[in-house]
Amino acid sequence: NAGVTQTPKFQVLKTGQSMTLQCAQDMNHEYMSWYRQDPGMGLRLIHYSVGAGITDQGEVPNGYNVSRSTTEDFPLRLLSAAPSQTSVYFCASSYSRGNEKLFFGSGTQLSVL
Amino acid sequence: GQNIDQPTEMTATEGAIVQINCTYQTSGFNGLFWYQQHAGEAPTFLSYNVLDGLEEKGRFSSFLSRSKGYSYLLLKELQMKDSASYLCAVRGPYGQNFVFGPGTRLSVLP
Repeated sequence: NAGVTQTPKFQVLKTGQSMTLQCAQDMNHEYMSWYRQDPGMGLRLIHYSVGAGITDQGEVPNGYNVSRSTTEDFPLRLLSAAPSQTSVYFCASSYSRGNEKLFFGSGTQLSVL
Repeated sequence: GQNIDQPTEMTATEGAIVQINCTYQTSGFNGLFWYQQHAGEAPTFLSYNVLDGLEEKGRFSSFLSRSKGYSYLLLKELQMKDSASYLCAVRGPYGQNFVFGPGTRLSVLP
């Protein structure tokens, strides 16, 4: 049981480049989300999904796109990378019912030069 | 909106007890969670409170007062491996969206 798998672990981009961060879970979780973590600011929600075909914006969605074509996968796309997007990104998933804890992927350290 | 506050750093001695406080102001509340995050790793779940009172889980306990917007995480018999950041997170009224505090970095000294 792999849990939440996130790739890549590290990435360096130049300003203006685009890329996709991959996230997959094998726990049949309905809910999936993307957070970014910056020093002193805690985890901030970028986008989330409550099921296949359903996505919505979180607190800091600008510059990012998501899609949810399957229950398992929830990729995060950076359209035109900017230095302000240098951060650590975490994918997290959970069941939607009840008071369920989040399961996190191992994170992606992204640097935009 | 929601605002969560925690101390930035704390230091304690191996074998001691430490209390990490969390205060929150939210427009809706559906549970408070504590996560542990070692440097360079993902957060992992520690405890959860939705009703007032104390929840105990081995060396870790968490307390909640909803009327005061206050929670604390109590760590007993500290071990070196407890050196980590501790994240307080409030679950909002809709679905599974959480608001996280900035985290408290705990250093356990020998």
